[in-house]
Amino acid sequence: KQEVTQIPAALSVPEGENLVLNCSFTDSAIYNLQWFRQDPGKGLTSLLLIQSSQREQTSGRLNASLDKSSGRSTLYIAASQPGDSATYLCAVLQYNNNDMRFGAGTRLTVKP
Amino acid sequence: NAGVMQNPRHLVRRRGQEARLRCSPMKGHSHVYWYRQLPEEGLKFMVYLQKENIIDESGMPKERFSAEFPKEGPSILRIQQVVRGDSAAYFCASSLQSDGGYGYTFGSGTRLTVV
Repeated sequence: KQEVTQIPAALSVPEGENLVLNCSFTDSAIYNLQWFRQDPGKGLTSLLLIQSSQREQTSGRLNASLDKSSGRSTLYIAASQPGDSATYLCAVLQYNNNDMRFGAGTRLTVKP
Repeated sequence: NAGVMQNPRHLVRRRGQEARLRCSPMKGHSHVYWYRQLPEEGLKFMVYLQKENIIDESGMPKERFSAEFPKEGPSILRIQQVVRGDSAAYFCASSLQSDGGYGYTFGSGTRLTVV
């Protein structure tokens, strides 16, 4: 059974700092991995989608990497801003399985 | 493209009443997924539907919960005789492909409060 873990659970950094959020999963036979952002009381916004054959994806100040063999993904945020404050969720989808499994999230606070 | 539309955004029901949550997928998407997020917990899969078919309901509670995706109109998640423990955020997602190859797009959710 796929288990997704995100570390740390919460992170507080000063504005401008580069930071890394971690995601690990127990079953490496994944189809893709998706990073989402969730603001308090809001829905999920997709940030990056990495297919199993890819090693990384980039969008603006965000870079996500995937190491399937070790069951890990990282989300790198460059030059953090207060507007980046949110909960970041990692989710994996396996082949022939409709149950996208989510981690519990990392709650990020970027202080001005 | 309006994205995935869910309504209502907030729903308050008394114990024993019925709750009906609606989801319209993104234009062109025919695969719909429902997730539940309990307070301070992660998102849990409930059900996967295509038009007029329930494909996977392995995450649905056995009683009181049902879902449909009719040929015309939105997908409906129905909770009968709600209890306090049903209070949660319910999210709908849609995908272009059945295997989710292009990822899932989520709606803003319906926050159900049972009083």
